[in-house]
Amino acid sequence: DIVMTQTPLSLSVTPGEPASISCRSSRRLDEVISLDWYVQKPGQSPHVLLYRVSNLASGVPDRFSGSGSGTDFTLKISRVEAEDVGIYYCMQRVEFPLTFGQGTRLEIK
Amino acid sequence: EVQLLESGGGLVQPGGSLRLSCEASGFTFDRYDMTWVRQAPGKGLEWVSLIGGGGGGTYYAGSVKGRFTISRDISKNTLYLQMNSLRAEDTAAYYCVKRTLESYMDVWGKGTTVTVSS
Repeated sequence: DIVMTQTPLSLSVTPGEPASISCRSSRRLDEVISLDWYVQKPGQSPHVLLYRVSNLASGVPDRFSGSGSGTDFTLKISRVEAEDVGIYYCMQRVEFPLTFGQGTRLEIK
Repeated sequence: EVQLLESGGGLVQPGGSLRLSCEASGFTFDRYDMTWVRQAPGKGLEWVSLIGGGGGGTYYAGSVKGRFTISRDISKNTLYLQMNSLRAEDTAAYYCVKRTLESYMDVWGKGTTVTVSS
């Protein structure tokens, strides 16, 4: 199975400051660049933020961006807002079983 | 509006069975991959199973293979997850999720909770 490892597992950010979450896969994801990012806000179901590494899902503000290739991927928030509180997950879909990272909890200072 | 509504969760004893349902609306149900993702209390997301759109195949996480069966009834626009030989570690919220044609998960239900306990 492809193991997805996120760092950090938690971060606390002042509003207006940037934030960055790393996701590393145990195997290269080059084939179709099938790496997506999801967020689960408190009390809600998860929803997609970015697909295929860097494509913003519908309705997602452009302060979110994604980058990376091979085994290393990054989610960046240019200016964190209070509504960004939640747990962020990367997920690979190159092969089955689909696998998620452990999740990164974002808190606001 | 695209909607997914799960049902069928509840309390079941270890070794027991349960069938989850997910009623879909607002899209051509047969066309898309559908998947189940679960989340144990206080834990992260775990993919469970997927059924391909347009008569595609079925896929399972190793932890449920041989015990769970995913299926869909096109006439009822409903996705199912038959869960047998349930274990305490199957306790979780189960989300029904639709995939886009690009294969990312774009619509999530609100989830249904399964508790396996004696």
